[in-house]
This record gives sequence, C-alpha cells and structure tokens, in this order.
Amino acid sequence: QVQLQQSGPGLVKPSQTLSLTCAISGDSVSSNSVTWNWIRQSPSRGLEWLGRTYYRSKWYNEYAVSVKSRITINADTSKNQFSLQLDSVTPEDTAVYYCARALSYARFDNWGQGTLVTVSS
Amino acid sequence: DIQMTQSPSSLSASVGDRVTITCRASQSIANYLNWYQQKPGRAPNLLIYAASSLQSGVPSRFSGSGSGIDFTLTINSLQPEDFATYYCQQSHTTPWTFGQGTKVEIK
Repeated sequence: QVQLQQSGPGLVKPSQTLSLTCAISGDSVSSNSVTWNWIRQSPSRGLEWLGRTYYRSKWYNEYAVSVKSRITINADTSKNQFSLQLDSVTPEDTAVYYCARALSYARFDNWGQGTLVTVSS
Repeated sequence: DIQMTQSPSSLSASVGDRVTITCRASQSIANYLNWYQQKPGRAPNLLIYAASSLQSGVPSRFSGSGSGIDFTLTINSLQPEDFATYYCQQSHTTPWTFGQGTKVEIK
C-alpha cells in the first residue's frame, strides 16, 4: 500500500522560500511507471497542478508556467522522497499543498495528507 | 491551458437519488478525464479515470461517461457518505487542470 507523508513548515514569510518534502512508502521515487506531483488548493485558485518529477532512464521535471520561474521539484533516491521549493512567495501562494502519485492517464491515485502553508509576516 | 467547467456548482439531493454532474473541456481531450471526490479537510480521492474506468475499490454506484469535450459523472442511489465535493481533471495536456468543483449537499 502506497503512502505519502508530507513534512514542512506551515508558515513562510513573504519573499522567502517555501519548502516541503513528501516521503514515499510502498513505491519507489525511481519507478519508471509513475510520476510524482505537487498540487495546491486555495479558495481563489481551486486545485492547481504545480509540477512533477519522474524517472525514465533519466530524471525529468515539468512545471506549470504560472510558477515556472520560482519552482524546483527534486527527487532524493537515498531517502525515497521528493521535494518542492517555491521561491519568492507572496500571500497569493497561501494554500493547502499536496504531493501526489500519478499513474497512467495522469490519474492521481495516492495523495499526501496536505499541508496548509500560510504566507504572512 | 485547457479550461474545465463543471455544472452545477452545487446541488441538493436526497439519499437514494440519482445525481449527475457534468464537465466540459475547452477543447477536445478524447477520454483523458478523471473524477475525484473530496471531503472537508481531506485530500481528493480518485473515483473514475479515462472517463469511464472505475478506480479499484470505488463503489459501482459511481460511473463516468463521455469523450471529446463533454463528460458526465453519475452517482446512482446516493449514499450518506457521498455528500462531498466532486472535481473533474483533464489529463490530455499539461498543465493538468481541474474543474472548479461541484458540491453535493443534503436536501
């Protein structure tokens, strides 16, 4: 059974970097049949896909244009986890952040528990 | 980006009712459409993928149909645990995008 466990701070100051980690159990971050994603949810933006990382003989990353200049998603094979960094945050980045595994048809079949991140001084 | 529009935004129904939620894509997405259920304080839960395939473990009262632009999620014989918000998601072209949600409330 796949489980995703998120960790990271719930409060970030404006202009600083938001950092979250998603630890994977029951699957491998290096699996060549899935992708590992970050998604956020806020009342103003709804559910918003931020980006993904995946391994297909080498590592690939893909990011939403809306955050492309500020986002980094990395995989850590030694810890079997992946992470999100979002730079230069503003109050508009306040949201519940989820990590999620995607199978074929980019269907998100396993999700982390969610982390409410508030951007405030 | 592909825009996903759900209707209605909310609906009231009774236990045992049949409920239909629609989702329209801004361009053709073939059958690259997934449906999720979300309850307050919880992550979304996958119900249907590829427009009409039932995710393992999901009750058979949930069904999906459609292709191209228009899609439907149907809940037959609504149960108390089905009162939640439902989202569609297109998986045809990145960035993956979601509908705004349909909240199913108790009448």
